[in-house]
Amino acid sequence: DIQMTQSPSSLSASVGDRVTITCRASQGLNNALAWYQQKPGKAPKLLIHATSILESGVPSRFSGSASGTEFTLTIASLQPEDFATYYCQQYHGGPTFGQGTKLEIK
Amino acid sequence: QVELQESGPGLVKPSETLSLTCSVSGASLTNYYWSWIRQPPGRGLEFIGHIYYSGGASYNSSLKSRVIISVDTSNNRFSIELTSVTAADTAVYFCARLRAGTTLFEYWGQGTLVTVSS
Repeated sequence: DIQMTQSPSSLSASVGDRVTITCRASQGLNNALAWYQQKPGKAPKLLIHATSILESGVPSRFSGSASGTEFTLTIASLQPEDFATYYCQQYHGGPTFGQGTKLEIK
Repeated sequence: QVELQESGPGLVKPSETLSLTCSVSGASLTNYYWSWIRQPPGRGLEFIGHIYYSGGASYNSSLKSRVIISVDTSNNRFSIELTSVTAADTAVYFCARLRAGTTLFEYWGQGTLVTVSS
């Protein structure tokens, strides 16, 4: 199975900050990497697929990138509605998720 | 609008079988893969398995010996059975539809908490 190591596990930031979350894969993914946002008591919401393609309706302050087996989610200017938990997921092999990053208000 | 709704017992005794159903509205099961994912309280997401509308299933290797996912196209729903449960199987169980040709989880149910306890 492909392992996904996500960091940090938690992150405190303020509205307007730029934040980055990273996932490292145990092997190459051929860009098959997605990011989800989950709010308390809700199902995850697909934000980005294929490393950097935003889902319809996702604000442009979200972006994704990759360097080798390291994948990054960047939120350019945090908005109040962005405080949530974020998960990466690889879909190159049988799907596996990162451990999650809880983004909290500072 | 595709909607998924999980249903089933919220409490299961240790060593017994967890059974849940996902009812789908707004779309046919046809031509898609349908999946179960779980999330233990306060923890991350774990893929359990998925099934094609015609019946071919694939499972997480860590659960494969205990899980069966089945599909009921007549009633537009699919189900999961997880046998020999322990407290470690306590989780919110989500059903989801995969985006065509991928293992991206595109549409999700709201999730249902299943507690394993005597």
